[in-house]
Amino acid sequence: AQKVTQAQTEISVVEKEDVTLDCVYETRDTTYYLFWYKQPPSGELVFLIRRNSFDEQNEISGRYSWNFQKSTSSFNFTITASQVVDSAVYFCALRYNTDKLIFGTGTRLQVFP
Amino acid sequence: EAGVVQSPRYKIIEKKQPVAFWCNPISGHNTLYWYRQNLGQGPELLIRYENEEAVDDSQLPKDRFSAERLKGVDSTLKIQPAELGDSAVYLCASSLGTGATNTEAFFGQGTRLTVV
Repeated sequence: AQKVTQAQTEISVVEKEDVTLDCVYETRDTTYYLFWYKQPPSGELVFLIRRNSFDEQNEISGRYSWNFQKSTSSFNFTITASQVVDSAVYFCALRYNTDKLIFGTGTRLQVFP
Repeated sequence: EAGVVQSPRYKIIEKKQPVAFWCNPISGHNTLYWYRQNLGQGPELLIRYENEEAVDDSQLPKDRFSAERLKGVDSTLKIQPAELGDSAVYLCASSLGTGATNTEAFFGQGTRLTVV
């Protein structure tokens, strides 16, 4: 079965703390893509990153970093020195079987000043 | 470049009434998705188009939901008749399509439907 699991429903941190959002996926396909999206209170899903199944290099973009490990079927997202503006719901997604795109249930991140 | 455009942003209707949502994808994007997002949950796929062909509509409740993408560009999703349980945000997304390197989907702002 194809599935994305985000076990953390909600996380609360104080500004400047580091926080990691977990994502575990299941797929039988050998070629697939993983994504993270941010959904701020305005409601629009904002694309953050794409990673394909053949590229396990970790990526850093400013305060954001992503750790992709095929051995554990995980694609975790870390925000360093969190800010209030990072408060949102974050979704992990899996694209397989050419263009089928499924989402996890999301993790609500609240960053308090 | 314009993003995915959806209208209306909000809609309130009485149960048993019809409702329609419109989506204009990013120019050049062959793949178009309609998702439904219930409060506190992730988006769930309703239907996926490759150009004008519906290639995955297995999750679309066909007794009351219908969709079309006649010219392979913009799309309409309809519910008739609406039920209280249809209250949700309806999201449209588009991507370049099969074989493209940049496979990410871009989303519109969604239509928040409230059925009373």
